[in-house]
Amino acid sequence: ETGVTQTPRHLVMGMTNKKSLKCEQHLGHNAMYWYKQSAKKPLELMFVYNFKEQTENNSVPSRFSPECPNSSHLFLHLHTLQPEDSALYLCASSQVASGHNEQFFGPGTRLTVL
Amino acid sequence: AQSVSQHNHHVILSEAASLELGCNYSYGGTVNLFWYVQYPGQHLQLLLKYFSGDPLVKGIKGFEAEFIKSKFSFNLRKPSVQWSDTAEYFCAVTLGSSNTGKLIFGQGTTLQVKP
Repeated sequence: ETGVTQTPRHLVMGMTNKKSLKCEQHLGHNAMYWYKQSAKKPLELMFVYNFKEQTENNSVPSRFSPECPNSSHLFLHLHTLQPEDSALYLCASSQVASGHNEQFFGPGTRLTVL
Repeated sequence: AQSVSQHNHHVILSEAASLELGCNYSYGGTVNLFWYVQYPGQHLQLLLKYFSGDPLVKGIKGFEAEFIKSKFSFNLRKPSVQWSDTAEYFCAVTLGSSNTGKLIFGQGTTLQVKP
């Protein structure tokens, strides 16, 4: 496989469920990102990982918990979500060097919280 | 706080019309600039990027953008649009001083091209 892959592509969950989103990049990049894309809103950066270390948490509620076990994999663990958390969750990766940052995006996971 | 503003939220054009989508950012230092496109049902993909050098940047599918530093702008243009250009377009910025690669996105412009 090439590029950035995300699973599952669609997820429906209740507010009491616990689920995880998975992202894998096959590009040899050293940085990975989680974004939230809601209708009529700019993409919201959630988390940034550089070399497996979290370097940014953009005031994300604790019901979203990221995990980066290595530079190729990124997870987003979800628990006790709210209906307003329904959105498209995008993963991206990049090779961060001297401020240049072309990010490559996965297809996203469409999350619906009932 | 740094921000990116896209003035047009929804643009409707006929095929062969010319396109210009506005993008302005608020940051006085060095920036790297991007335009991404999201076709219906597909993932975000890079259209073009500016890091340094010639401020007129050419991208894929006949798109180009011009960086005007004095206006803090990076407008996207295409002389003649096609129905297949129907998509959502996002302008984005990284700060030149950033070592985290953080991208700041505009709110997006939906382009609808009528055949």
